[in-house]
Amino acid sequence: EIVLTQSSGTLSLSPGERATLSCRASQSVTRSYLAWYQQKPGQAPRLLIYDASSRATGIPDRFSGGGSGTDFTLTITRLEPEDSAMYYCQQYSNSPYTFGQGTKLEIK
Amino acid sequence: QVQLVQSGAEVKNPGASARLSCRASGFTFSTSYIHWVRQAPGQGLEWMALMNPGPGSTHYAEKFQGRVTLTRDTSTSTFYMDVNSLTSEDTAIYYCAHTNYLLFYFDYWGQGTLVTVSS
Repeated sequence: EIVLTQSSGTLSLSPGERATLSCRASQSVTRSYLAWYQQKPGQAPRLLIYDASSRATGIPDRFSGGGSGTDFTLTITRLEPEDSAMYYCQQYSNSPYTFGQGTKLEIK
Repeated sequence: QVQLVQSGAEVKNPGASARLSCRASGFTFSTSYIHWVRQAPGQGLEWMALMNPGPGSTHYAEKFQGRVTLTRDTSTSTFYMDVNSLTSEDTAIYYCAHTNYLLFYFDYWGQGTLVTVSS
């Protein structure tokens, strides 16, 4: 099983700043089969990024993903209050298709 | 546009079983998979199982093998997950989610079904 470890705890930033979230895999993620999701309280997760760096439909270009192998990042530029949420990475290289434990992003 | 509509919240006693449903629309059986993902209160996301809707074949996470069963009704495009021998640790929101048949990133999600296991 691939274990994904995300940058821990809560990231508190101000509007207009840049956020960089990390996701480290316990073994290499084949073909960068890694996705990022945003989840707000009381809502289902929303797909942001797939294949490590491809934006999902309707996702603004403030969101970008990068990385390969075992280290991946989600970068959000020009932070807005609405970006406050939990962010999860997920690998779909191997079953079981595991998620990271999440990083909470607070915009104050 | 894929839409997934799940059944309502349930309260179950320990040891009981639950059947959750997920009615799908706007998707193609031959190019889609339906998955189930759960989230315990205040916790992260956990992938449980998938179904290939066309042939009805399934694949389960080892943790849930033998306790979870996926089925479908092709006439109504409704997918079901049965979970047996419920314990308090199964208290969670259960989501159905859609992927394409090649790459298992979840592009559409149901609204979730809260299952509470309590005596």
